Order: sequence, then C-alpha cells, then structure tokens
Amino acid sequence: QKEVEQDPGPLSVPEGAIVSLNCTYSNSAFQYFMWYRQYSRKGPELLMYTYSSGNKEDGRFTAQVDKSSKYISLFIRDSQPSDSATYLCAMSLAYSGAGSYQLTFGKGTKLSVIP
Amino acid sequence: ETGVTQTPRHLVMGMTNKKSLKCEQHLGHNAMYWYKQSAKKPLELMFVYSLEERVENNSVPSRFSPECPNSSHLFLHLHTLQPEDSALYLCASSQDRGDQPQHFGDGTRLSIL
Repeated sequence: QKEVEQDPGPLSVPEGAIVSLNCTYSNSAFQYFMWYRQYSRKGPELLMYTYSSGNKEDGRFTAQVDKSSKYISLFIRDSQPSDSATYLCAMSLAYSGAGSYQLTFGKGTKLSVIP
Repeated sequence: ETGVTQTPRHLVMGMTNKKSLKCEQHLGHNAMYWYKQSAKKPLELMFVYSLEERVENNSVPSRFSPECPNSSHLFLHLHTLQPEDSALYLCASSQDRGDQPQHFGDGTRLSIL
C-alpha cells in the first residue's frame, strides 16, 4: 500500500463549480498536512497548511483533515479557469530534530476549469 | 529577488557530460532540499541539508552529488547520467522546524540524450 494515495484525474469542471480534491494515507503518525498548486512549467506553490485534524479556510479554499479516517480534502468554491493546475497533497511526521521535516507527496490531481 | 531561484531552467546533456544545477533562496531559511519530479510519480526527496550539513540521502545514485556551501545556496552536480534521470529537479527551502512549510523553486527541466 502506497503511503499517500491521490487520484491523478484528470478532473474537468465548469467555471463556478465546487471542486473536491482528496488524499488518503496509511501512516497514522503524519501530523502536518499541506496542499500545493503547480501550474505547468512552474514549481509547487503552497496553498494550505494545517496541523492535525480540523478545517482551515482561506478565501475560496477550504482544507479538511480527518485523522481518524486518514483522509484529507481540499475544496475550491466558485472555481475559476485560473484554478486549472495540478494539485498536490503532502504530509509530514512530527518534527524530531535536524532535517526530520520531510514531506511525503501524493501523485497530484490535474484539474481543468472550463469557462 | 525573492523566493527560491533555480538555474538553469532547462538543460540538455549527454550521458558522459558533467553539469551542475544551482539553487538560491532569499527567504532566510536554514534547510534546503532537492526533489525529483517524474511524470505520473510523486515527488521524490533526494537530499536534505540542515544548517549546511547533509542530513538525508534517500538512496540516491552517486552520479548525483549535492553541495551546500552556505544556507542560501544549494548545488546538484551531475555526471554520467542515464536516460531515466530525465525529469524536473526541484529545489525547496524551509525553516528546519515542523511547523514551517517548504517553499519551492520552478525547477530545472533535465533531458538526458
């Protein structure tokens, strides 16, 4: 079983739709959870960063973490064509000293928002 | 300049060449990372440096040789690479704490002929 599972898509939605992106993971020791957005020919850009379980909202984006189910989600409201990108989930263990802050990534979901 | 800058953006090299990738961060961070991104695979961590000391080498072949002369600069020296090494190589930096995220550069697209 892979450590982090993420459906690669592609996912295509009309402009204005609510988008739901998800990752599941197997290691219950993960403590920090992130979503990155990666446009074509660019590096990953941090979107959301959460610690442990719960919800976090930032504008049109909401990140949810359910540690009991080992499941994280990113919701995008009122999706725009500019949201078209690949979305990567990432997570890490609790910090335990120099260099221990290492990320485990999903494969990424490619999203297209159609005008 | 701000953020994490990588040069060159594109590199084509033969299997017998030697080249280097460069990364510079302007964020005041004390940890730097090299990742490999291949199609249809998750990002793979290659090397971790914390306070200029190499902390992690995730079983990377010796044809990849990292160098971190100070906390702002990171290099990846390449020699006698294989076609399967063609990929996007990403550099990232962070504060070496568990509550600070990693920030990425735009990568070097490497093609091995």
